[in-house]
Amino acid sequence: KAGVTQTPRYLIKTRGQQVTLSCSPISGHRSVSWYQQTPGQGLQFLFEYFSETQRNKGNFPGRFSGRQFSNSRSEMNVSTLELGDSALYLCASSRRTGGYEQYFGPGTRLTVT
Amino acid sequence: GESVGLHLPTLSVQEGDNSIINCAYSNSASDYFIWYKQESGKGPQFIIDIRSNMDKRQGQRVTVLLNKTVKHLSLQIAATQPGDSAVYFCAEIAVQGAQKLVFGQGTRLTINP
Repeated sequence: KAGVTQTPRYLIKTRGQQVTLSCSPISGHRSVSWYQQTPGQGLQFLFEYFSETQRNKGNFPGRFSGRQFSNSRSEMNVSTLELGDSALYLCASSRRTGGYEQYFGPGTRLTVT
Repeated sequence: GESVGLHLPTLSVQEGDNSIINCAYSNSASDYFIWYKQESGKGPQFIIDIRSNMDKRQGQRVTVLLNKTVKHLSLQIAATQPGDSAVYFCAEIAVQGAQKLVFGQGTRLTINP
């Protein structure tokens, strides 16, 4: 069974631009959660989608948004990029909502210059 | 606020020795705890979990201990191998409120030959 895939793996953007990251969950998983990982803040929860509905959201500004499609694939978007948005963005999929039994993808490394 | 922290940021052990990684959590409402392993360039990988109605759970070469009285969690790895070198995170999910994974800061485990 294929694991969680994330595209692209690496991305370089300029301040003020916007970016869209993609996540394909494990087949049969309807929950997709997104996390931001930085050396200073560690792993922080961004949001979770389950069956195309946002179930939970972390403490991030409105510049961070996401969506989920009917095939459970998910995208997250960051608008008006700031230098502090440079991070590893991880997505995790699960059959269940709420953070249980999550399988993580390899992440997308975003660098904002 | 929510916080899950680790006592030591780095840990070095000799190959073949046992290692213990500690974690303190502050949310007494948490009822589910997970240990993740993250190798360089990869997303977190599930190691073992434990529910709050248990105080010990064993897996293959790993044991998780939970002390709810002092809100402490530990991961014991027996007979460490070079492949155990990674960053280890504890994470928790609280039953009450919006359920989500809250991660600790992580401990880097290095196995010396």
